[in-house]
Amino acid sequence: DIQMTQSPSSLSTSVGDRVTITCRASQNISTYLNWYQQKPGKSPDLLIYAASRLRSGVPSRFSGSGSGAVFTLAIGSLQAEDFAVYYCQQSFTTPFTFGPGTRLEIK
Amino acid sequence: VQLVESGGGLVKPGGSLRLSCAASGFTFSDSYMSWIRQAPGKGLEWISYISSGGSYSNYADSVKGRFTVSRDNAKNSVFLEMNSLRAEDTAVYYCARDRRGRLNYLDSWGQGTLVTVSS
Repeated sequence: DIQMTQSPSSLSTSVGDRVTITCRASQNISTYLNWYQQKPGKSPDLLIYAASRLRSGVPSRFSGSGSGAVFTLAIGSLQAEDFAVYYCQQSFTTPFTFGPGTRLEIK
Repeated sequence: VQLVESGGGLVKPGGSLRLSCAASGFTFSDSYMSWIRQAPGKGLEWISYISSGGSYSNYADSVKGRFTVSRDNAKNSVFLEMNSLRAEDTAVYYCARDRRGRLNYLDSWGQGTLVTVSS
């Protein structure tokens, strides 16, 4: 199975900050990498697919990059509604494994 | 797009449960569907998908041989039959539309249904 790791596991940040989350795959997954946001008590929402494609309706402050085995999710100028848990997921091969998540907390 | 899961509840170890996911707002028969679960306070675990016509399915090792995914395109529904349940199967179970083609991603999720396995 492809193992996914994320760093940091949690981040204490402030509104207006720019943050970057890194996701690493245990092998080359090309650009088969998706990012999801999950708020407390809610189901996950797709933010970015294919490493860098912003889902329609997602604010442009979110961006994704990377290919191969290293990927990043960047959030420019954090808003209050962005404090959540972010998961990466590889869709290169089954099982479609998720990273352990990165929790963004308000400082 | 709307996905509504049902069928969760409390079940004893070794027991069985059948989850349902009712879909609306899109052409269900054209869509792959996946099941994903989340144990309390933990991360996400993909567990199964089924192809649009129902001919193909795949499972995570953690549920292979115990869980079976199926669908009824006439009723716009996908199901997850869970047998030989264990305490570690306790989780919120989500169904999601699984977009396939050159790109693969889960673009719509249900609200989830809680399965608790406990004596």
